[in-house]
Amino acid sequence: AAGVIQSPRHLIKEKRETATLKCYPIPRHDTVYWYQQGPGQDPQFLISFYEKMQSDKGSIPDRFSAQQFSDYHSELNMSSLELGDSALYFCASSSTRGRDTQYFGPGTRLTVL
Amino acid sequence: AQSVSQHNHHVILSEAASLELGCNYSYGGTVNLFWYVQYPGQHLQLLLKYFSGDPLVKGIKGFEAEFIKSKFSFNLRKPSVQWSDTAEYFCAVSRIVDYKLSFGAGTTVTVRA
Repeated sequence: AAGVIQSPRHLIKEKRETATLKCYPIPRHDTVYWYQQGPGQDPQFLISFYEKMQSDKGSIPDRFSAQQFSDYHSELNMSSLELGDSALYFCASSSTRGRDTQYFGPGTRLTVL
Repeated sequence: AQSVSQHNHHVILSEAASLELGCNYSYGGTVNLFWYVQYPGQHLQLLLKYFSGDPLVKGIKGFEAEFIKSKFSFNLRKPSVQWSDTAEYFCAVSRIVDYKLSFGAGTTVTVRA
Protein backbone atom coordinates (compact mmCIF):
# COMPACT_ATOMS: atom_id res chain seq x y z
CA ALA A 1 0.00 0.00 0.00
CA ALA A 2 1.13 3.53 -0.72
CA GLY A 3 2.60 5.41 2.21
CA VAL A 4 3.39 8.99 3.08
CA ILE A 5 6.32 10.28 1.06
CA GLN A 6 8.69 12.94 2.30
CA SER A 7 11.49 14.64 0.46
CA PRO A 8 14.28 15.13 0.83
CA ARG A 9 15.18 12.45 3.34
CA HIS A 10 18.28 14.27 4.47
CA LEU A 11 19.12 17.96 4.25
CA ILE A 12 22.17 19.85 5.41
CA LYS A 13 22.01 23.63 5.63
CA GLU A 14 24.06 26.46 7.06
CA LYS A 15 22.77 28.86 9.70
CA ARG A 16 20.53 31.60 8.33
CA GLU A 17 19.76 29.61 5.17
CA THR A 18 16.29 28.51 4.13
CA ALA A 19 14.93 25.00 3.69
CA THR A 20 11.80 23.54 2.11
CA LEU A 21 10.48 20.16 3.17
CA LYS A 22 7.86 18.36 1.13
CA CYS A 23 5.20 15.86 2.12
CA TYR A 24 3.01 13.77 -0.16
CA PRO A 25 0.13 12.19 1.78
CA ILE A 26 -1.35 8.78 1.20
CA PRO A 27 -3.72 8.94 -1.82
CA ARG A 28 -7.20 10.17 -0.86
CA HIS A 29 -5.92 11.56 2.44
CA ASP A 30 -6.86 15.22 2.79
CA THR A 31 -5.29 16.07 6.14
CA VAL A 32 -1.60 16.64 6.75
CA TYR A 33 0.23 17.12 10.05
CA TRP A 34 3.81 18.25 10.63
CA TYR A 35 5.83 17.19 13.69
CA GLN A 36 9.35 18.03 14.82
CA GLN A 37 11.42 15.47 16.73
CA GLY A 38 14.60 16.81 18.29
CA PRO A 39 17.44 14.47 19.25
CA GLY A 40 16.27 12.12 21.99
CA GLN A 41 12.91 13.85 22.24
CA ASP A 42 9.31 13.01 21.47
CA PRO A 43 7.66 14.42 18.35
CA GLN A 44 6.12 17.85 18.83
CA PHE A 45 3.16 19.01 16.78
CA LEU A 46 3.90 21.98 14.51
CA ILE A 47 0.95 22.57 12.22
CA SER A 48 -1.85 20.80 10.36
CA PHE A 49 -3.92 21.32 7.25
CA TYR A 50 -7.33 20.02 6.27
CA GLU A 51 -8.64 20.47 2.74
CA LYS A 52 -5.87 22.96 1.97
CA MET A 53 -6.69 25.19 4.92
CA GLN A 54 -4.64 25.49 8.07
CA SER A 55 -6.60 23.68 10.76
CA ASP A 56 -4.37 23.88 13.81
CA LYS A 57 -1.10 25.36 14.92
CA GLY A 58 1.28 24.18 17.58
CA SER A 59 4.73 25.26 18.66
CA ILE A 60 5.83 26.42 15.23
CA PRO A 61 8.31 29.33 15.12
CA ASP A 62 7.34 32.44 13.15
CA ARG A 63 10.31 31.70 10.88
CA PHE A 64 8.46 28.62 9.63
CA SER A 65 5.50 28.61 7.31
CA ALA A 66 3.60 25.86 5.61
CA GLN A 67 0.84 25.30 3.12
CA GLN A 68 -1.15 22.54 1.51
CA PHE A 69 -1.62 22.56 -2.23
CA SER A 70 -4.50 21.55 -4.50
CA ASP A 71 -3.08 18.04 -4.89
CA TYR A 72 -2.96 17.81 -1.05
CA HIS A 73 0.80 17.73 -0.82
CA SER A 74 2.25 20.06 1.78
CA GLU A 75 5.45 22.05 2.09
CA LEU A 76 7.12 23.31 5.23
CA ASN A 77 9.27 26.37 4.60
CA MET A 78 11.91 27.24 7.15
CA SER A 79 13.87 30.48 7.01
CA SER A 80 16.75 31.95 9.00
CA LEU A 81 17.71 28.49 10.12
CA GLU A 82 19.22 28.09 13.56
CA LEU A 83 21.31 25.30 15.03
CA GLY A 84 18.35 24.33 17.19
CA ASP A 85 16.26 23.59 14.13
CA SER A 86 18.30 20.44 13.58
CA ALA A 87 15.77 17.67 13.99
CA LEU A 88 13.74 14.98 12.29
CA TYR A 89 10.65 16.45 10.68
CA PHE A 90 7.77 14.05 10.26
CA CYS A 91 4.73 14.47 8.14
CA ALA A 92 1.61 12.42 8.83
CA SER A 93 -1.63 12.14 6.89
CA SER A 94 -5.16 11.05 7.56
CA SER A 95 -8.44 10.88 5.70
CA THR A 96 -11.72 12.64 6.41
CA ARG A 97 -13.41 9.36 7.29
CA GLY A 98 -10.43 8.27 9.39
CA ARG A 99 -9.17 11.53 10.82
CA ASP A 100 -8.49 9.86 14.10
CA THR A 101 -5.57 7.79 12.76
CA GLN A 102 -2.41 9.39 11.41
CA TYR A 103 0.09 7.57 9.24
CA PHE A 104 3.63 8.85 9.36
CA GLY A 105 6.18 9.34 6.64
CA PRO A 106 9.86 8.41 6.96
CA GLY A 107 10.83 11.92 7.99
CA THR A 108 13.33 14.47 6.78
CA ARG A 109 16.47 14.76 8.85
CA LEU A 110 17.56 18.39 8.83
CA THR A 111 21.03 19.26 10.03
CA VAL A 112 21.92 22.92 10.46
CA LEU A 113 25.65 23.64 10.63
CA ALA B 1 -3.33 21.27 27.90
CA GLN B 2 -3.08 17.56 27.78
CA SER B 3 0.08 15.71 28.71
CA VAL B 4 1.27 12.17 28.30
CA SER B 5 3.70 10.51 30.65
CA GLN B 6 5.52 7.26 30.09
CA HIS B 7 6.80 5.60 33.20
CA ASN B 8 10.05 4.17 31.95
CA HIS B 9 12.77 5.88 29.99
CA HIS B 10 14.77 2.75 29.18
CA VAL B 11 13.88 -0.91 29.62
CA ILE B 12 16.32 -3.76 29.07
CA LEU B 13 14.97 -7.29 28.70
CA SER B 14 16.06 -10.73 27.62
CA GLU B 15 14.33 -12.53 24.79
CA ALA B 16 11.13 -14.32 25.82
CA ALA B 17 10.63 -11.99 28.79
CA SER B 18 7.33 -10.20 29.18
CA LEU B 19 7.09 -6.49 28.53
CA GLU B 20 4.80 -3.87 30.02
CA LEU B 21 5.16 -0.18 29.34
CA GLY B 22 3.14 2.29 31.33
CA CYS B 23 1.39 5.34 29.92
CA ASN B 24 -0.80 7.87 31.67
CA TYR B 25 -2.45 10.93 30.23
CA SER B 26 -4.08 13.97 31.69
CA TYR B 27 -7.13 15.17 29.86
CA GLY B 28 -10.68 15.06 31.04
CA GLY B 29 -12.42 14.87 27.71
CA THR B 30 -12.79 12.12 25.16
CA VAL B 31 -9.50 11.00 23.69
CA ASN B 32 -8.13 8.51 21.24
CA LEU B 33 -5.11 6.54 22.41
CA PHE B 34 -2.22 5.15 20.42
CA TRP B 35 1.04 3.32 20.72
CA TYR B 36 3.62 3.96 18.02
CA VAL B 37 6.93 2.16 17.56
CA GLN B 38 10.07 3.64 16.04
CA TYR B 39 12.72 1.13 15.03
CA PRO B 40 16.28 2.45 14.83
CA GLY B 41 16.59 4.89 11.96
CA GLN B 42 12.99 4.42 10.87
CA HIS B 43 9.74 6.35 11.04
CA LEU B 44 6.89 6.01 13.48
CA GLN B 45 4.67 3.00 12.88
CA LEU B 46 1.27 2.46 14.43
CA LEU B 47 1.22 -0.53 16.80
CA LEU B 48 -2.34 -0.23 18.01
CA LYS B 49 -5.06 2.24 18.83
CA TYR B 50 -8.08 2.63 21.08
CA PHE B 51 -11.12 4.71 20.27
CA SER B 52 -14.00 3.05 22.08
CA GLY B 53 -15.46 -0.33 22.96
CA ASP B 54 -13.45 -3.21 24.38
CA PRO B 55 -10.73 -1.63 26.53
CA LEU B 56 -8.32 -4.42 25.65
CA VAL B 57 -7.00 -3.83 22.16
CA LYS B 58 -4.74 -6.04 20.14
CA GLY B 59 -2.21 -4.67 17.72
CA ILE B 60 0.42 -5.91 15.36
CA LYS B 61 3.39 -8.12 16.26
CA GLY B 62 1.69 -9.62 19.32
CA PHE B 63 1.28 -6.35 21.23
CA GLU B 64 -1.81 -5.46 23.20
CA ALA B 65 -2.84 -2.56 25.37
CA GLU B 66 -5.44 -1.99 28.05
CA PHE B 67 -7.33 1.23 28.54
CA ILE B 68 -8.32 1.89 32.15
CA LYS B 69 -10.46 5.00 32.12
CA SER B 70 -10.50 5.48 35.88
CA LYS B 71 -6.71 5.54 35.95
CA PHE B 72 -6.24 7.53 32.73
CA SER B 73 -3.88 4.78 31.67
CA PHE B 74 -3.14 2.91 28.46
CA ASN B 75 -0.42 0.37 29.17
CA LEU B 76 1.27 -1.64 26.45
CA ARG B 77 2.07 -5.33 26.90
CA LYS B 78 3.70 -8.19 25.07
CA PRO B 79 3.93 -11.64 26.69
CA SER B 80 7.21 -12.68 25.07
CA VAL B 81 9.55 -10.22 23.41
CA GLN B 82 11.97 -10.89 20.60
CA TRP B 83 15.27 -9.27 19.72
CA SER B 84 13.50 -7.54 16.83
CA ASP B 85 11.31 -5.65 19.32
CA THR B 86 14.27 -3.45 20.17
CA ALA B 87 12.94 0.01 19.41
CA GLU B 88 11.54 3.18 20.92
CA TYR B 89 7.90 3.10 21.92
CA PHE B 90 5.74 6.18 22.09
CA CYS B 91 2.36 6.52 23.71
CA ALA B 92 0.23 9.21 22.10
CA VAL B 93 -3.11 10.83 22.76
CA SER B 94 -5.35 12.87 20.51
CA ARG B 95 -8.47 14.77 21.37
CA ILE B 96 -11.43 14.16 19.14
CA VAL B 97 -11.84 17.91 18.62
CA ASP B 98 -8.62 18.46 16.70
CA TYR B 99 -6.89 15.06 16.31
CA LYS B 100 -3.37 16.43 16.77
CA LEU B 101 -1.19 13.96 18.62
CA SER B 102 0.53 14.61 21.93
CA PHE B 103 3.33 12.16 22.53
CA GLY B 104 4.94 10.84 25.65
CA ALA B 105 8.71 11.09 26.00
CA GLY B 106 9.15 7.58 24.70
CA THR B 107 10.55 4.39 26.18
CA THR B 108 13.62 2.79 24.67
CA VAL B 109 13.32 -0.99 24.80
CA THR B 110 16.44 -3.05 24.36
CA VAL B 111 16.00 -6.80 24.00
CA ARG B 112 19.10 -8.87 24.54
CA ALA B 113 19.42 -12.08 22.55
